[in-house]
This record gives sequence, C-alpha cells and structure tokens, in this order.
Amino acid sequence: QVQLQESGPGLVKPSETLSLTCTVSGGSVSSGSYYWSWIRQPPGKGLEWIGYIYYSGSTNYNPSLKSRVTISVDTSKNQFSLKLSSVTAADTAVYYCARVPARYDSSGYYPSLMDVWGQGTTVTVSS
Amino acid sequence: EIVLTQSPATLSLSPGERATLSCRASQSVSSYLAWYQQKPGQAPRLLIYDASNRATGIPARFSGSGSGTDFTLTISSLEPEDFAVYYCQQRSNWGSLTFGGGTKVEIK
Repeated sequence: QVQLQESGPGLVKPSETLSLTCTVSGGSVSSGSYYWSWIRQPPGKGLEWIGYIYYSGSTNYNPSLKSRVTISVDTSKNQFSLKLSSVTAADTAVYYCARVPARYDSSGYYPSLMDVWGQGTTVTVSS
Repeated sequence: EIVLTQSPATLSLSPGERATLSCRASQSVSSYLAWYQQKPGQAPRLLIYDASNRATGIPARFSGSGSGTDFTLTISSLEPEDFAVYYCQQRSNWGSLTFGGGTKVEIK
C-alpha cells in the first residue's frame, strides 16, 4: 500500500525559504492516476490546501499563497517537494503531503479528494 | 473562490447518540464534496467522497448526503473513537481545493 513521508527542517528563520520533501513508497509519482498535494494546519486551526502537482509537472496553487509557493516533482527519487519563500510566523504549521486521485469528466482530468496522507511534519518559523 | 461553512463549530453529544454535521458551499459544487475525520496528533482520514460514498474501511454508521450547496455528514450512533474534528472539502471548476473550518464532536 502506498505511504507518504514528509521530511525537512523543523525550524526556519523569518524571510527565508521553507523546503519540504514528500517521499512516496508503494506507488509512483509518475502515475497519471494521481495528483500530489501539500496541505498545512497552523496550531489549533483548520486545514489549508497549499497546492498540487501532476506527474507532467503542471501545478495549481492556493491563490492566497501562489506568489510564494513552488511545488516540484522528482520522478527519479519518487518524491515531490514544496518551497515556500519569505516565510513569517504565520507560516508555522504542521505540513502534510497527500495523494489526490485524478478523476475524469468531459472537461478532462481534475483533482478530487485526498485519499492517502503523510503523518505530517511540524515547521516553526522563528529566529 | 468557493467558501465552505461548517456548522456547528462544536457538537456535544454522548456515545450512542446521532451526530448531524452540516457543510454549506457558497456556490454549487455539484457532488464534489468529501469529508475527513481528524483526531489529535493525527493526519486527517478520508471518510466520504462524492458526497455520499464511504471510503474503504469506513464503518456503515458514517453516511453522507446532499448536493449543490448543502451537505450533511451523519454518524448514526457515536462510538468512543468517533469523537474528533470533521472537515468537508470541495474542488472548484478551476481545480483549486478548499476545506471547511471544521466541526468538533466532543463528549458531553
């Protein structure tokens, strides 16, 4: 069964770039059947979708974060990554990666839901 | 941008009682709605997709209904392990994904 595991620094300084990686095991990021997504959850708050990437490299980002977010995929390592620039304390959160099945209708392929999640990694922004 | 509003924010119930959670969308999302359960310190778990389909391994006491803008998650008889936070999630026509603010089901 597919498993996802987040990794990266737990502490990032303000104004720097947060970088996280999600390693996929038991499945392939090259599969056209899935998008690969990042979600975050600030302490004591709800879930916020950050963005996703398709195996082809096409991406879609939350408009509120779009200017600072880059999601990329490394098929050779079966990983996908998140970069969030110019971080502030408001970016302190648990960051999750998740698998998103691709559904198809007359408009083409589209993302749907998150069916497999990583355990999450806590990132604190502080000097 | 479609906004999902969940109500109530907190639901205080006893084991064995029926829980009814609401998720309202600011515009129609057809049946593209999912529900997740999250327990403290854990990642969310998919419960319901396409408004009314249970995900693999989800007990039959969980059911979803609705379409368009109004959706409901029902837990027919609360088990001790069901006390958690529940989120709804939708996908928009342009591909963005959105979560509701969550409903906490707590023990009364």
